[in-house]
Amino acid sequence: ETGVTQSPTHLIKTRGQQVTLRCSSQSGHNTVSWYQQALGQGPQFIFQYYREEENGRGNFPPRFSGLQFPNYSSELNVNALELDDSALYLCASSLEVPTVARGYTFGSGTRLTVV
Amino acid sequence: DQQVKQNSPSLSVQEGRISILNCDYTNSMFDYFLWYKKYPAEGPTFLISISSIKDKNEDGRFTVFLNKSAKHLSLHIVPSQPGDSAVYFCAASGDESSNDMRFGAGTRLTVKP
Repeated sequence: ETGVTQSPTHLIKTRGQQVTLRCSSQSGHNTVSWYQQALGQGPQFIFQYYREEENGRGNFPPRFSGLQFPNYSSELNVNALELDDSALYLCASSLEVPTVARGYTFGSGTRLTVV
Repeated sequence: DQQVKQNSPSLSVQEGRISILNCDYTNSMFDYFLWYKKYPAEGPTFLISISSIKDKNEDGRFTVFLNKSAKHLSLHIVPSQPGDSAVYFCAASGDESSNDMRFGAGTRLTVKP
C-alpha cells in the first residue's frame, strides 16, 4: 500500500468542461506534486505544493491549478479541457521537501479521457 | 523538449541474468538522478538514486552507474527475478529537492523464468 490515494481512478469528460482530481496523502506528508503522464511518455511535472503554498511549477498553462489542504489532501483543477489533456494524472507526496535520497511516494493515478 | 531519454522501450532477460537499463540526458545542469519502477495499475515506486559527485551507487541487487562526461546512466539488476518485470523510469533533477524532476519515457523490463 502506497499511502497515497487518488480519486477517481477513471474519468471521462467533454472538451471545454472543467475537472477536479483529488489526492489524499499520508499523514505528515506536507509536500505534494502533480504529474501528467501521456500515453507512451514519462510523467511530466505540473506543480508542487508545500505547506499549502505553490512551490514550483512546470510548463503548464494557468488553466491547470491546484490546492493543498491542512488535512494532507490536495486537488488538481483543469479548466477548459482539451483533447490533449487526456492522460494519467499522478499525485506524489513526501514528508517535507523530498530529497533525492528518498524520492516521492506516488499514488496509482487518475486516468482522464477528454472526448 | 525531451531532456531525459530512454531509447529502449523494452528489454527481455532470463531469470538470474543481468538486466541493464540505459538512460541519456542532455541538460548538463542535472545533478541528481533517480530510478523509479512502475507495476501496472500502480504509481511509480522510488528505487535508487545517485548524485553527480558519485559514479556508482549500490543497493542490494540494484546498482546505478553515472557517466557525467557522456551524460549517461544505467541501472544494473543482478540477478534478475521475475518480480522485477515492470516499467522502469529514469528521472533527473537540478537540485536535491528533486522538485521538477524530468522523466524519461520508460523501459518495460520482462524477466522470463
